[in-house]
Amino acid sequence: AQSVTQLDSQVPVFEEAPVELRCNYSSSVSVYLFWYVQYPNQGLQLLLKYLSGSTLVESINGFEAEFNKSQTSFHLRKPSVHISDTAEYFCAVSGASGTYKYIFGTGTRLKVLA
Amino acid sequence: DAGVTQSPTHLIKTRGQQVTLRCSPKSGHDTVSWYQQALGQGPQFIFQYYEEEERQRGNFPDRFSGHQFPNYSSELNVNALLLGDSALYLCASSPDSYTGELFFGEGSRLTVL
Repeated sequence: AQSVTQLDSQVPVFEEAPVELRCNYSSSVSVYLFWYVQYPNQGLQLLLKYLSGSTLVESINGFEAEFNKSQTSFHLRKPSVHISDTAEYFCAVSGASGTYKYIFGTGTRLKVLA
Repeated sequence: DAGVTQSPTHLIKTRGQQVTLRCSPKSGHDTVSWYQQALGQGPQFIFQYYEEEERQRGNFPDRFSGHQFPNYSSELNVNALLLGDSALYLCASSPDSYTGELFFGEGSRLTVL
């Protein structure tokens, strides 16, 4: 069975400060890892994904995440946040083969303060 | 290019009633998944449809059923509604040949009174 843990339910941070949202997963098989963002009253949008290859993946809006197999982590980071980054962020895992479902964490609410 | 569309966006039902939610996948996608997102929680996998068949199912009772049509659109049906069924129901589509991303609709918010 797979599971995802997002330890921080809420993270307040001042604008232009760095932020890290933590994600740990558990799986007995190889995995794909994802970060999704959800703005109020909207569906989820893919922020970035790790399928294979380089363990550091980046998004077009400045977020990055690093797959750490030994730590079973996929933490999301941004060096300088903006007010517009305020949203709910979900980490998700799926098996690399044999399963079609995605397991989501409980989410981290990022609140960027002026 | 239209993304994933869902209807209705909001609906209110009473306990014991039945509800049908609809989803049209993104153009070119033939796989549809349904997720339930309770307030303050992450999405929970209900089931996935491919080639008009339920391919995988999450831990949801038989009151939750679905259907996929030849044009790849899908319906989620929930019978004998309970208060605990109140949630945002998300439809996601993907091209079966690529497992890297789910494309989500904006969801149908169901309130059960």
